[in-house]
Amino acid sequence: AQSVTQLDSHVSVSEGTPVLLRCNYSSSYSPSLFWYVQHPNKGLQLLLKYTSAATLVKGINGFEAEFKKSETSFHLTKPSAHMSDAAEYFCVVSARNYGQNFVFGPGTRLSVLP
Amino acid sequence: GAVVSQHPSWVICKSGTSVKIECRSLDFQATTMFWYRQFPKQSLMLMATSNEGSKATYEQGVEKDKFLINHASLTLSTLTVTSAHPEDSSFYICSASSGAGEQYFGPGTRLTVT
Repeated sequence: AQSVTQLDSHVSVSEGTPVLLRCNYSSSYSPSLFWYVQHPNKGLQLLLKYTSAATLVKGINGFEAEFKKSETSFHLTKPSAHMSDAAEYFCVVSARNYGQNFVFGPGTRLSVLP
Repeated sequence: GAVVSQHPSWVICKSGTSVKIECRSLDFQATTMFWYRQFPKQSLMLMATSNEGSKATYEQGVEKDKFLINHASLTLSTLTVTSAHPEDSSFYICSASSGAGEQYFGPGTRLTVT
């Protein structure tokens, strides 16, 4: 079985400062991990994904995440926040090679202050 | 590539009526489609998984007679909410997969039942 914990329901940063959104997972199988962003009343946009290659994954809009198996973590970072980054972020785990079901974390709302 | 559309994007219906939501994969063949429900300020919850030409598999607690899912072709799945009630008001999101371990999400349909 898979599960995802997003440790912060809400993160607030100032524009231009770093962003850290935390995600921990549990999986009975080798996991694939994803980060999605959702702007208000919009669908999901894939930021990045880990599927067994490099543990440091670079995504769109300057985001990146590092897969740490020993810590069962997949935290999302960005060096400098932009106002347009304000949105809801979801960490997702699936069991690689064992079906396609996605398990979503509860989400973290990112606020960016001017 | 990998674009998924949903129609309508927003629908209002009266209590007791039925409403159909379409999910289409525009540039790939989707062997599997997923339907999610999202309540305000909450994460996505998987409702059902459907494979082309076969019956959908519903998650525990989801009424299959109320939420009818049809996956008649490799590019189209439909969700029909039958005898809708105000508590069915929600944001419904579909996703599609070609079987490679990824899901591509539609923009969502906001259903309001009055």
